[in-house]
Amino acid sequence: DAGITQSPRHKVTETGTPVTLRCHQTENHRYMYWYRQDPGHGLRLIHYSYGVKDTDKGEVSDGYSVSRSKTEDFLLTLESATSSQTSVYFCAISEAGNYGYTFGSGTRLTVV
Amino acid sequence: AQRVTQPEKLLSVFKGAPVELKCNYSYSGSPELFWYVQYSRQRLQLLLRHISRESIKGFTADLNKGETSFHLKKPFAQEEDSAMYYCALKDYSSASKIIFGSGTRLSIRP
Repeated sequence: DAGITQSPRHKVTETGTPVTLRCHQTENHRYMYWYRQDPGHGLRLIHYSYGVKDTDKGEVSDGYSVSRSKTEDFLLTLESATSSQTSVYFCAISEAGNYGYTFGSGTRLTVV
Repeated sequence: AQRVTQPEKLLSVFKGAPVELKCNYSYSGSPELFWYVQYSRQRLQLLLRHISRESIKGFTADLNKGETSFHLKKPFAQEEDSAMYYCALKDYSSASKIIFGSGTRLSIRP
């Protein structure tokens, strides 16, 4: 068990609806990240957190918001889903960057 | 700005042949580099870090500061090496972020 779980694993939603993805860790790591994975773009950082209630934007943050009210949970919300947000979303955790990340299994989101 | 470039989207080699996945980075200081691998239907996992100078599953990667490269190599490819490979660079700006390249899909032909 990698100590990090994402839910849901798959979701289909309609354009314009809000969607929340959850990342839960049991490692007590300080840093948590949300990436999206798209062909030809690799992984792009959406938002990240460096502590409870401490979050910041990544390179593709438009249309997304996050919250971290507890060390173990990092939520990603698509405020009004669009088809361009169809992607695979990965959560990652890290104690310190030089040790690398541990990734979740991903959430495949389809916006129709 | 820091950047990671993987010039090959797809690399196909025969089983038993040598493999080299290219990675170039842009960073003026001393970089911390990683290779991540994603096998079919599995999560991304760390393959190796340059600071530990390790060899995992027969793969090695050497940092070449003069060429700003961190190519991943394996002398004899195996079918189970087929996967998506990402080169990554630590972002020193804040929060231990890691910048990923666009990835190379490695396909090993029998």
